[in-house]
Formats: sequence, C-alpha cells, structure tokens
Amino acid sequence: SAVISQKPSRDICQRGTSLTIQCQVDSQVTMMFWYRQQPGQSLTLIATANQGSEATYESGFVIDKFPISRPNLTFSTLTVSNMSPEDSSIYLCALDNSLNNEQFFGPGTRLTVL
Amino acid sequence: AQRVTQPEKLLSVFKGAPVELKCNYSYSGSPELFWYVQYSRQRLQLLLRHISRESIKGFTADLNKGETSFHLKKPFAQEEDSAMYYCALNYNAGNMLTFGGGTRLMVKP
Repeated sequence: SAVISQKPSRDICQRGTSLTIQCQVDSQVTMMFWYRQQPGQSLTLIATANQGSEATYESGFVIDKFPISRPNLTFSTLTVSNMSPEDSSIYLCALDNSLNNEQFFGPGTRLTVL
Repeated sequence: AQRVTQPEKLLSVFKGAPVELKCNYSYSGSPELFWYVQYSRQRLQLLLRHISRESIKGFTADLNKGETSFHLKKPFAQEEDSAMYYCALNYNAGNMLTFGGGTRLMVKP
C-alpha cells in the first residue's frame, strides 16, 4: 500500500480566510480523491483530482469554493476558500488502487473555523 | 442514484458475543462493496471487500443481492474490534466510493 501524508494535520482558522491542504503520496497514482467528513457524519466525496486535467466535482461542491490542484502524479492540494464555521470538518485525501478499486486514505486534516 | 445505509449509529456488545453490523445499498448497476474501519486515532483503512470473499480479523461479509445487503459479521467480538465501521459502495465504473453513515462498535469487557 502507498504512504499518504497530509499537511497540516489540523488547523484553526478565522471566518473568511482560506486554507490549502496538501496531500503527498510516495508513489505515482492516477486518481486522487478529496473527501469531507463533517462532525458526526460519514465521508462525502468532494472531487476527483486527475493529473493534467480539471478536477471533477460532485454535486454540491464547486471549484470556486474548493479549488484543487494536481501538478503531478504524487501530489495534490485542496483549498477551502472563504471559510465559514460550516466548513469545520475533517478533510481526507485518498488514492485509488486501480487493480482492485480499493482506496487508501490519508490521515486527514481537522479544520476548525471560528 | 447510489445509496448506502447503515441503520445503527452505535452497536454495543460484550466481549465474546456475536456481532452483526448492518449495511443496505441501492444501486442500479452491478455492486461492488467494501467495509472500511477506523480505529481510534488511526486512519480509515479497508477491512474487506465482497469480491475476495475473505475473512479478515474474524470478520466476514456476504453480498446478498436479493436483500441488497452486505452485513458485516463476527461470531465472537473482541475488545480490539471497537472502532467505526463504514460500508462503502463502488460506483461509476469502479472509480468512486459512496459511504454509509458509519456504525460505532463498542465491545465491552
């Protein structure tokens, strides 16, 4: 399995600011995913990040609010823009093991917006 | 649209008792289902997938297409099984996962 790291592991931010979360993988992967896990909730897919193309967003998520970069096959960033307290959540990146559709998850970034 | 339902948010059992965590799904395509587990202070990780029909840490899960269920079972629960368990459905030609709401399993001594 791949080694996935996320930075920061947690942050406390002020309303109206933006935070960029980084996801680093120790091997080249085609597909990376960004999920949100709100308090007491399950995981919800935000978008799929493919290298060399625009991210594909799920219903309810837009690029202006959650811009994503995927500059190469080992790295991706998710920005949470113009934050409000409702954005307080754990954000996870994941990658797809294309051999058997298993997904590997990063440790998550716990974001609190005041 | 695809949907995964885990009806129990919390399941509490005593050590040695049997455990069944329920999962139901709705999906118009051919389902591929997984159970993920998150132990305290650890990341989410795959427990088992229906395709491999494996038993991991004593857990098994059988896909029942007639009942659209993929319940997770273990005959004798252990304290170290205490964790959050998420049922997940693979959709969109194998690239996407949709998760159930999760069930917290607490195994008491």
